Amino acid sequence: AQKVTQAQTEISVVEKEDVTLDCVYETRDTTYYLFWYKQPPSGELVFLIRRNSFDEQNEISGRYSWNFQKSTSSFNFTITASQVVDSAVYFCALMSNNAGNMLTFGGGTRLMVKP
Amino acid sequence: KAGVTQTPRYLIKTRGQQVTLSCSPISGHRSVSWYQQTPGQGLQFLFEYFSETQRNKGNFPGRFSGRQFSNSRSEMNVSTLELGDSALYLCASSLDDMNTEAFFGQGTRLTVV
Repeated sequence: AQKVTQAQTEISVVEKEDVTLDCVYETRDTTYYLFWYKQPPSGELVFLIRRNSFDEQNEISGRYSWNFQKSTSSFNFTITASQVVDSAVYFCALMSNNAGNMLTFGGGTRLMVKP
Repeated sequence: KAGVTQTPRYLIKTRGQQVTLSCSPISGHRSVSWYQQTPGQGLQFLFEYFSETQRNKGNFPGRFSGRQFSNSRSEMNVSTLELGDSALYLCASSLDDMNTEAFFGQGTRLTVV
């Protein structure tokens, strides 16, 4: 069985602070995919990143960066110099190699960035 | 390129009724998945369709069903609605069935009274 845990249910920061959202996953698969999505108040899930289990290189995209560590089954997400527009719920998700496009989501972390 | 379109956006139904939700995927995408989002259970996978065939099904009762048409548009149906079916139903569109990223619509918010 697969499981994704986002231990931080809510984080509040002041604008320009850096913030890291934690994600820990469980799977028996050797090949799998990890995702992060952002859900603003409008409701749709916005795709941020997809990473396969064989690629442990960290990735940076503007103010966003991701740290994938297979040894600790973690895929953490850092926002540098946070902005009010970053306020949203962020979901980490896991996809098995042999279950089509089915995503197993974590419980989400609500990020509030205050001006 | 148009995104994923879900209709209707909001719906209020009475217990015992049935409801049909619609999803039009991104042009060229052949896989459509459905998810239910509630405050208590979070985001849960309902089912996935690819080329008009159900590929995977989540742990939901038989009252939840779906289908996909030849143009990749999908519908999901919930019969004999219960109060607990109140949720945001999200549709996700993927290019194919090979572990590709999913792009989501804005969802249909269903309220059962």
